[in-house]
Amino acid sequence: DAGVTQSPTHLIKTRGQQVTLRCSPKSGHDTVSWYQQALGQGPQFIFQYYEEEERQRGNFPDRFSGHQFPNYSSELNVNALLLGDSALYLCASSSRAGYQETQYFGPGTRLLVL
Amino acid sequence: AQSVTQLGSHVSVSEGALVLLRCNYSSSVPPYLFWYVQYPNQGLQLLLKYTSAATLVKGINGFEAEFKKSETSFHLTKPSAHMSDAAEYFCAVSDQGGKLIFGQGTELSVKP
Repeated sequence: DAGVTQSPTHLIKTRGQQVTLRCSPKSGHDTVSWYQQALGQGPQFIFQYYEEEERQRGNFPDRFSGHQFPNYSSELNVNALLLGDSALYLCASSSRAGYQETQYFGPGTRLLVL
Repeated sequence: AQSVTQLGSHVSVSEGALVLLRCNYSSSVPPYLFWYVQYPNQGLQLLLKYTSAATLVKGINGFEAEFKKSETSFHLTKPSAHMSDAAEYFCAVSDQGGKLIFGQGTELSVKP
């Protein structure tokens, strides 16, 4: 049973560029959440997708956008990259949206903005 | 609004000693609480989850946590530390929409 997968594993971009990160949820899961983890910090919630719609959003600017596909996979897009966007981006999946559901995390994509 | 505070950003124990990692939460609704572990350059792995079924929750790798409502705490313990337990540990609470709110993390070091 495949767990949550993310691609790419590492990425280097320059300021002002755009980036797309991808996530495939665990088999049987239909909800995907994205988190940003800066160095030495706990993960911060970006947004959650369920039924191809953004259901909840954290305190992140509109430069951060996402999408969920009919097969439940998801993308995170970041426009106009800033140095402060350098972080580990984690995707998590669960069987449905809701606070009682356990979220399972992927290995993350490490983004470095120069 | 929910929040989590982890007391102690670094904890160091000797191999075989008791591990105690502290977590206090704030929640306006009955909380769902989680402990995750993160090994270097990896994602988060679920250790255990509190869902109100029992106040003492047993997880993987010999870890357990006790929910104490009166103290708003959910501390993580392990009777005997192994070298392989060295990692970053995160306590989290889920809000009503399913968003996880994490603490700052506690780095556990295990000395031989």
